[in-house]
Amino acid sequence: GENVEQHPSTLSVQEGDSAVIKCTYSDSASNYFPWYKQELGKRPQLIIDIRSNVGEKKDQRIAVTLNKTAKHFSLHITETQPEDSAVYFCAASWNYGQNFVFGPGTRLSVLP
Amino acid sequence: DTEVTQTPKHLVMGMTNKKSLKCEQHMGHRAMYWYKQKAKKPPELMFVYSYEKLSINESVPSRFSPECPNSSLLNLHLHALQPEDSALYLCASSHLPSGSSYNEQFFGPGTRLTVL
Repeated sequence: GENVEQHPSTLSVQEGDSAVIKCTYSDSASNYFPWYKQELGKRPQLIIDIRSNVGEKKDQRIAVTLNKTAKHFSLHITETQPEDSAVYFCAASWNYGQNFVFGPGTRLSVLP
Repeated sequence: DTEVTQTPKHLVMGMTNKKSLKCEQHMGHRAMYWYKQKAKKPPELMFVYSYEKLSINESVPSRFSPECPNSSLLNLHLHALQPEDSALYLCASSHLPSGSSYNEQFFGPGTRLTVL
């Protein structure tokens, strides 16, 4: 089955700096890669996703890149703000998002 | 209505109790999901319902019994749980994915379950 690894497990950055979180997946058939943000005590919320036929996607301060050959994808957050502090989960799906496997998560702390 | 709701928010139960978790959505989604999330861990998929029929059961113990009475409601019946079953139980819903459609899963706020 699919296995998703995620690094780093914790990340601290100064406000205004960039943050990068990297994930690798094992199943070359995976075709959908969402990123979820989960604030303490809150529900996971989708922040950006990318499909296997796209190499890069950007939404304001957030971007995701996908390298299908290497089977890895990354989340980039620019101009970080304290409200970006949360746990971020990457995920990979082989059936267009009906079910996916989450990575273990990255706890991002943005220091003012 | 663009939210998934779950009740109760918190539940404490003994190992001999029977209780139910409820989930509701009115976004017209025909796929609904139960996840279990332990502290500092990612959500783990338990069950998937497609068109109100159970399509995926991730080898979940029979003390967890899902039910989808209609397209808007999803229940999780709990019986004879163990303390290690204490966790946040998340419900999610989405449109059914297809070859040309990739669909976001919307999560509810979860029910925090404590088994004594």
